[in-house]
Amino acid sequence: EDKVVQSPLSLVVHEGDTVTLNCSYEVTNFRSLLWYKQEKKAPTFLFMLTSSGIEKKSGRLSSILDKKELFSILNITATQTGDSAVYLCAVGNGAGSYQLTFGKGTKLSVIP
Amino acid sequence: EAEVAQSPRYKITEKSQAVAFWCDPISGHATLYWYRQILGQGPELLVQFQDESVVDDSQLPKDRFSAERLKGVDSTLKIQPAELGDSAMYLCASSANWGTSDTQYFGPGTRLTVL
Repeated sequence: EDKVVQSPLSLVVHEGDTVTLNCSYEVTNFRSLLWYKQEKKAPTFLFMLTSSGIEKKSGRLSSILDKKELFSILNITATQTGDSAVYLCAVGNGAGSYQLTFGKGTKLSVIP
Repeated sequence: EAEVAQSPRYKITEKSQAVAFWCDPISGHATLYWYRQILGQGPELLVQFQDESVVDDSQLPKDRFSAERLKGVDSTLKIQPAELGDSAMYLCASSANWGTSDTQYFGPGTRLTVL
């Protein structure tokens, strides 16, 4: 059975801190790994990673994938209160159709 | 920027009643997904459409749930009868092409509460 495990499940930090969120996976027919940010609404897309070792960056957020060790990390530097959200990791897999298997998410709370 | 539309945003119903949710994907997107997200969990796929055809409904509880996308554009998800355990957020997502690693874009969701 396909599995995506995120850690930690929740995290409280102060503004300005740097955080690292983890995602490990066991899936058949791996095709991509995605990170989404979910506030009190639908997930919004952050990154899609398909190749090992290539960092994707957007502002203070960055992510990298290790396909050998089957994990990805999402880094957020200089955190702000607006970063408070649930961060979801999903793995895209499938030999024919393409489907996402999600982890439970990491709830990040940034306090002033 | 094009968005996935869903309605209603919130629905409260009593158990054994029928409910229906509507989704309009981003224009031109061939693939449409319905997910269920229980509080504290990640979304779980219920059904996947390519155009008007169901390509995967293996996780859809077919005794009470049904989904259709008659013209290959918008879609309806129905629950009849609703049960207490159906309380969740129902998310619709779309992507441009079937079978490719295209990004899935999510709608705002319908939060269902079954009393």
